[in-house]
Amino acid sequence: EAGVAQSPRYKIIEKRQSVAFWCNPISGHATLYWYQQILGQGPKLLIQFQNNGVVDDSQLPKDRFSAERLKGVDSTLKIQPAKLEDSAVYLCASSLGGEYTEAFFGQGTRLTVV
Amino acid sequence: QKEVEQNSGPLSVPEGAIASLNCTYSDRGSQSFFWYRQYSGKSPELIMSIYSNGDKEDGRFTAQLNKASQYVSLLIRDSQPSDSATYLCAAPNTGGFKTIFGAGTRLFVKA
Repeated sequence: EAGVAQSPRYKIIEKRQSVAFWCNPISGHATLYWYQQILGQGPKLLIQFQNNGVVDDSQLPKDRFSAERLKGVDSTLKIQPAKLEDSAVYLCASSLGGEYTEAFFGQGTRLTVV
Repeated sequence: QKEVEQNSGPLSVPEGAIASLNCTYSDRGSQSFFWYRQYSGKSPELIMSIYSNGDKEDGRFTAQLNKASQYVSLLIRDSQPSDSATYLCAAPNTGGFKTIFGAGTRLFVKA
């Protein structure tokens, strides 16, 4: 079974530039998550989709971050404009859905904003 | 109070010893709990899940859950240097609408 695919693996941009990350979840997984993990911290949930609807985006900085999940499969996360404090690893995860199912993570995208 | 709280460590144990990792949570409605292991520079991977009070054993790993006291722990028996990693505790909130992670505990197993 293929895992969660993310791209790119690494990205370096200057502040105020824009960047986009892509995620393809495990086939059949209805729930998709985007987490931000700053070095030395646990993952912080940015947004959670159930199929193509948003379940929770309370911690998504909506003035600069946006995410979509068209057709309930792939998802993109965009940052525009980027700030230095956005430097982090962005993890995509997916699960079957529900509170008893574990999340499976992609390899993440390491973003460095200079 | 943080929703899921862990001691950041580092926790250092000698090879062959038992490593004990603890986690407390604030949402009494949480029904399931997960332990993930994260090696440096890698993504989290699930190692244990527990839903009922008591102990759950899987190989060298034992998860313990006490819903009344709102804590969950992970014991690693016969610790190996390859167990050196950050261990993340995670709990979906009431209804499972989002999964909250703790900050993680860094474990070092000395050979």
